[in-house]
Amino acid sequence: QKEVEQNSGPLSVPEGAIASLNCTYSDRGSQSFFWYRQYSGKSPELIMFIYSNGDKEDGRFTAQLNKASQYVSLLIRDSQPSDSATYLCAVNTPLYSFSGATNKLIFGTGTLLAVQP
Amino acid sequence: KAGVTQTPRYLIKTRGQQVTLSCSPISGHRSVSWYQQTPGQGLQFLFEYFSETQRNKGNFPGRFSGRQFSNSRSEMNVSTLELGDSALYLCASSIRTGGNTEAFFGQGTRLTVV
Repeated sequence: QKEVEQNSGPLSVPEGAIASLNCTYSDRGSQSFFWYRQYSGKSPELIMFIYSNGDKEDGRFTAQLNKASQYVSLLIRDSQPSDSATYLCAVNTPLYSFSGATNKLIFGTGTLLAVQP
Repeated sequence: KAGVTQTPRYLIKTRGQQVTLSCSPISGHRSVSWYQQTPGQGLQFLFEYFSETQRNKGNFPGRFSGRQFSNSRSEMNVSTLELGDSALYLCASSIRTGGNTEAFFGQGTRLTVV
């Protein structure tokens, strides 16, 4: 079982519709969750992060987290052609070593979103 | 506020050579992580540095190494390059380490090994 799983897509939605992207993770100790958008040939851009169960809204984006079910989702309202990109789900499970805490993001393989004009 | 700066943007190297990549984090950020992105494996964690100390290392061979300087700038080195090392190498900057901290990526260095 992969640590972070996403449907690779492509997910095709018409312009103006709601795009729903889903992600599941395997480690119950995971504490923080991120959505990155990556355009072809570019680096990932952080668009949402969520640390607590429930919904978090930022403009047209809503992140949803359910730790009991180990899933996180991203909703994009009023989808635009410029939203067409690969969306990467990333999970941070803090580790502690003799040198202290550490960051390590585990990424899903990404979902390709295509918004049709 | 300047973002994460990676240099160089593109590199072409031959097998057996070594390469050094550089990353300057966002001002005030003390954690720098490195990731490798390939079409087949996606984004894979290489290592993280915080306060000049390597805090964590991913499952990569010892040919991959890194360091961090007192100004938080970081370098990663790959020795004895192999064709399979061709990838986009990404640096991520965070203000602190541990959980609940956002990571911001630089533009990446595209390494091609021929």
